[in-house]
Amino acid sequence: RKEVEQDPGPFNVPEGATVAFNCTYSNSASQSFFWYRQDCRKEPKLLMSVYSSGNEDGRFTAQLNRASQYISLLIRDSKLSDSATYLCVVTRGFGNEKLTFGTGTRLTIIP
Amino acid sequence: EAGVTQFPSHSVIEKGQTVTLRCDPISGHDNLYWYRRVMGKEIKFLLHFVKESKQDESGMPNNRFLAERTGGTYSTLKVQPAELEDSGVYFCASSPTGGGSGANVLTFGAGSRLTVL
Repeated sequence: RKEVEQDPGPFNVPEGATVAFNCTYSNSASQSFFWYRQDCRKEPKLLMSVYSSGNEDGRFTAQLNRASQYISLLIRDSKLSDSATYLCVVTRGFGNEKLTFGTGTRLTIIP
Repeated sequence: EAGVTQFPSHSVIEKGQTVTLRCDPISGHDNLYWYRRVMGKEIKFLLHFVKESKQDESGMPNNRFLAERTGGTYSTLKVQPAELEDSGVYFCASSPTGGGSGANVLTFGAGSRLTVL
C-alpha cells in the first residue's frame, strides 16, 4: 500500500465550478501536510500547507482529518489557470524531514 | 532571488554510460534534497544534504548513484553505469536552515530529465 494515496483523475471540470480532491495517508505518525501544484513538465510548487484547524487561501481551502487520516483540497470558482496536477505531500516531522508524495490528481478546467 | 537551478535540463544517454546532474540551491539554503519521478509513479525522495553532510540517503536506489555536495554549495548526482530504469525526472530542492513548520517548505528546481536508451 502506498504511503500517500490520491485519485489520479483526470478531473475535467467546467470553469467556475467547485472541485474537491481527497488524499489519504497511511502513517499515523505523519505531522506535516501540504498541497503542491505541478504544471506540465514543470517543478512542483507549494500551494498551501494544511493544518488541523483547516486553512483558506483565496479560492483554496485545505482540511486535515487526523482521525481518518485524510487531507482535502477544495477549489472554488475554478479558473482555467487552475489546470495542473495537485500533489498531496506528507512528512513525519516539522523540520527538514523528507517529503512523501502522492501520485497526484490531474485537473483540467474546461472553458 | 535566484531559484534552484538544475543542469542539464535534458540528457539522453545509452545504457552503460555515465551522467552527472548538477544542482545549485538557493544561496544560503543549507538543506539540499534530490528527488526523482519515474514515468507513471510518484515523486520519490533520494537523499538529503545538510551543508556538505548526507543527512539521509535512504532513498538512493543502489550504489550506481553517487551524490556529492563538496563545500556545502552546489550538488552533483552521478549515475554510473546508467540503466534503462533510471530514466525519469530528477528534481533538486532546497530549504533554509532551522526547524519549525517553515523549514520543510521546499523550493524545487525545474528538474533534469534523464532518458536512458
